[in-house]
Amino acid sequence: RKEVEQDPGPFNVPEGATVAFNCTYSNSASQSFFWYRQDCRKEPKLLMSVYSSGNEDGRFTAQLNRASQYISLLIRDSKLSDSATYLCVGWRYGGSQGNLIFGKGTKLSVKP
Amino acid sequence: DTGVSQNPRHKITKRGQNVTFRCDPISEHNRLYWYRQTLGQGPEFLTYFQNEAQLEKSRLLSDRFSAERPKGSFSTLEIQRTEQGDSAMYLCASSPSGRGLATEAFFGQGTRLTVV
Repeated sequence: RKEVEQDPGPFNVPEGATVAFNCTYSNSASQSFFWYRQDCRKEPKLLMSVYSSGNEDGRFTAQLNRASQYISLLIRDSKLSDSATYLCVGWRYGGSQGNLIFGKGTKLSVKP
Repeated sequence: DTGVSQNPRHKITKRGQNVTFRCDPISEHNRLYWYRQTLGQGPEFLTYFQNEAQLEKSRLLSDRFSAERPKGSFSTLEIQRTEQGDSAMYLCASSPSGRGLATEAFFGQGTRLTVV
C-alpha cells in the first residue's frame, strides 16, 4: 500500500461548482500534511498546510481526520484558474528528520 | 530570482551516457530534496540532504545514481549509464530546517531528461 493515496480523478466540473478531493495515508506517513498544486509542466507549489484539525483559506478548506487517516480538500465556487493537479503530501517523520511523500495527484478541470 | 534554480532545464542524451544536473536551493535553506516525476504520477522521493549530509536515499536511487551537496549549498545529481527508463522530470526542492517539524518545501522548475 502506498503511503499517501489519492482519488485518481480527473474531476471535470463547471465554474462555480464545489469539489472535494480525498487523500488517505498509512501510519508511517505522517504527522503533518500539505496540499500542493501543480500546473501542467510546472513545478509543485504549496496550496495549503494542514497541521491539526484543518484550516480554511478563502475558497479552500482542508480537513484532517486522524482517526480515519484521511485528508480532504474542498474548493468552493470553482474558477477556471483552479484547473490543475492537486497533490496530497505527507511529512514522513523519522527521528529528527523527515521528508515529504507525495500522492499521485488528482487532476481538476473547471469548464466554463 | 531568489527561488530554487535548476540547470539545465532540458537534457537529451543517448542511452549509456552520463548526465549531471545541478540544483541551487534558496539561500540559507538547510534541507535539499531530489524527486523524480513521470507523466501522470506524483513526485517520487529520491534523496534528501540536511546541509552537506545525505540523510536518506530511496530504493529508487540505484547504484547508477549519485547525489552530492559538498558545501551544504548547491547539489548535483548524476546518473551514470543512462537508460530509457530514466527519462523523467527531476525536481529539486529546498526547505528551512524546522527542527523535526514539517516545513514547506519550495521546488525548482525541474530538469526534464529524455534518454534516446
